[in-house]
Amino acid sequence: KQEVTQIPAALSVPEGENLVLNCSFTDSAIYNLQWFRQDPGKGLTSLLLIQSSQREQTSGRLNASLDKSSGRSTLYIAASQPGDSATYLCAVKNAGGTSYGKLTFGQGTILTVHP
Amino acid sequence: DAGVIQSPRHEVTEMGQEVTLRCKPISGHDYLFWYRQTMMRGLELLIYFNNNVPIDDSGMPEDRFSAKMPNASFSTLKIQPSEPRDSAVYFCASSPLAMGGTDTQYFGPGTRLTVL
Repeated sequence: KQEVTQIPAALSVPEGENLVLNCSFTDSAIYNLQWFRQDPGKGLTSLLLIQSSQREQTSGRLNASLDKSSGRSTLYIAASQPGDSATYLCAVKNAGGTSYGKLTFGQGTILTVHP
Repeated sequence: DAGVIQSPRHEVTEMGQEVTLRCKPISGHDYLFWYRQTMMRGLELLIYFNNNVPIDDSGMPEDRFSAKMPNASFSTLKIQPSEPRDSAVYFCASSPLAMGGTDTQYFGPGTRLTVL
């Protein structure tokens, strides 16, 4: 059964810092990995989607990497801003087993960027 | 497109009452998913539909939960009778491609359910 773990559970940084969020998964049979952002009381917003054949994706100040063989992904946020404060969720789309085609989510990292 | 639409956004009810959550997927999407999010368990898939047919309901916690999709543009998740432990945020998501595809799911804003 696929398990997704995110470290750290919470992170507080001053504005302007570069930071890294980590995601690990136990089963490398995946179609893709996705990073979502969730603001309090809101739904999930997709940030970056990395296909299993890709190594990284970039969007603005965000860069996500994927090492499928080791079951790891990182989300790098450059020059963090208070508006980046949110919960960041990692999810894999499973390519095998009983979870075929389903998304498995991590528990999330709560990020606070203070001015 | 307006995205996935859910209603109501907030629901407060008393234990034992019936609760119905509604979802309108993105037009043209063949797959619809219902998730539940709690602090303890995170995001869990409850059930998903393909072309209005329930495919996998293994995540539905109890017989008190039921879901229907009478047509391609509407789905409901019903809890009867509701219990305080059902309090959570319920998300609906839709996807255009087959489960084995490389696309993702598009999430609605969620319904925050509180059962007193």
